[in-house]
Amino acid sequence: DAEITQSPRHKITETGRQVTLACHQTWNHNNMFWYRQDLGHGLRLIHYSYGVQDTNKGEVSDGYSVSRSNTEDLPLTLESAASSQTSVYFCASGRGSGRHNEQFFGPGTRLTVL
Amino acid sequence: ILNVEQSPQSLHVQEGDSTNFTCSFPSSNFYALHWYRWETAKSPEALFVMTLNGDEKKKGRISATLNTKEGYSYLYIKGSQPEDSATYLCAFYNNAGNMLTFGGGTRLMVKP
Repeated sequence: DAEITQSPRHKITETGRQVTLACHQTWNHNNMFWYRQDLGHGLRLIHYSYGVQDTNKGEVSDGYSVSRSNTEDLPLTLESAASSQTSVYFCASGRGSGRHNEQFFGPGTRLTVL
Repeated sequence: ILNVEQSPQSLHVQEGDSTNFTCSFPSSNFYALHWYRWETAKSPEALFVMTLNGDEKKKGRISATLNTKEGYSYLYIKGSQPEDSATYLCAFYNNAGNMLTFGGGTRLMVKP
């Protein structure tokens, strides 16, 4: 069955370290998204991609970067982790234009920055 | 940044009760409205994607309506069951944006 996976599921790191969170989908969806979930803020978009080599900033992109070298993967990198980036991160994918099509979410990665 | 509001923030009902909650969004430049169901310790799952004013969608005991002119959508659950306990998220796409903006969610708890 097609699916979307995230790894690791849990990560503890220290302030200043570089961290990369992986997202992999097997639906062959063009569109992929990274969100963070924090109490009081719901889901907020970090970065998104509408195809290979396409990346775009979302609402809360500072301190994060993504790259899209193939259809299946959209890794999220925290260049220098900060305590404010402690959060639960969700990756999602969707087909078509994105606006009319539902998004499929991964299981989430809980990141703690000490 | 677009403002998408959901009310109430949380709701406790008894098994068998019917309930509804609201998603408010900017009425200008409407493109699409999504509803997601998010159970604790799981990932959000899509319920509905609505695009036309007056749209009504139904999935089992859950239904949704859309009013794009006044900028709101209602989600209804008929005869709530404990397994309906979850957070219900709405998310809005406008003409100018290329991203979903999520509301804060309504957390529903159904007591047996």
